[in-house]
Amino acid sequence: EVHLTESGGGLVQPGGSLKLSCAASGFDFSSFSMNWVRQAPGKGLEWISYISGSRSTIFYADSVKGRFTVSRDNGDNSLYLQMNSLRAEDTAVYYCARDLTAGGYSPWDYWGQGTLVAVSS
Amino acid sequence: DIQMTQSPSTLSASVGDRVTITCRASQDISTWLAWYQQKPGKPPNLLIYKAATLRPGVPSSFSGSGSGTEFTLTINSLQPDDFATYYCQQYNSYPYTFGQGTKLESK
Repeated sequence: EVHLTESGGGLVQPGGSLKLSCAASGFDFSSFSMNWVRQAPGKGLEWISYISGSRSTIFYADSVKGRFTVSRDNGDNSLYLQMNSLRAEDTAVYYCARDLTAGGYSPWDYWGQGTLVAVSS
Repeated sequence: DIQMTQSPSTLSASVGDRVTITCRASQDISTWLAWYQQKPGKPPNLLIYKAATLRPGVPSSFSGSGSGTEFTLTINSLQPDDFATYYCQQYNSYPYTFGQGTKLESK
């Protein structure tokens, strides 16, 4: 059974940093592209980053480009999101999500339960 | 970026009703459209992809249609478990974007 479990969220001051992790199990992690998606309290969904299985392709939303860095360790079945220069508007629940299919043009079939990041002084 | 617009934002209905949610894309996305259901405090759950393909395990009361810029999600014979928020998502090009959501509430 596929499982995705995020961790690393918490309260951080504006300008601070945080590193999120997503532990994957139940599937061949290296074969699937992964994504980070966030949802501000009471708001809709926002995709923020994509990384291919081989790490050769990475995309970011403009809202986080230059501040966030996605990475993965296929040997450890883990996905990461390093978040720097955090702002109040980054406050959200952060989800990791798996691509349904390989090769692009894919929605996301499995999601973690999310981890809350709160940016406040 | 491709803008996705859902309507209505809120929909009141009763168990047994048939409901339809509409999603419009700001440009042609072929059939690269998915629908998700989200309940409070839970992650989204993929229901339909490629505009009309039902994910295995999703009740057949859910159906999707459309192509290009206009899409619909239909739920036949609403069940109590169907009251939730629904999002459309385009995955034609990054950044993948979502509609603002439709909250389906009990009348």
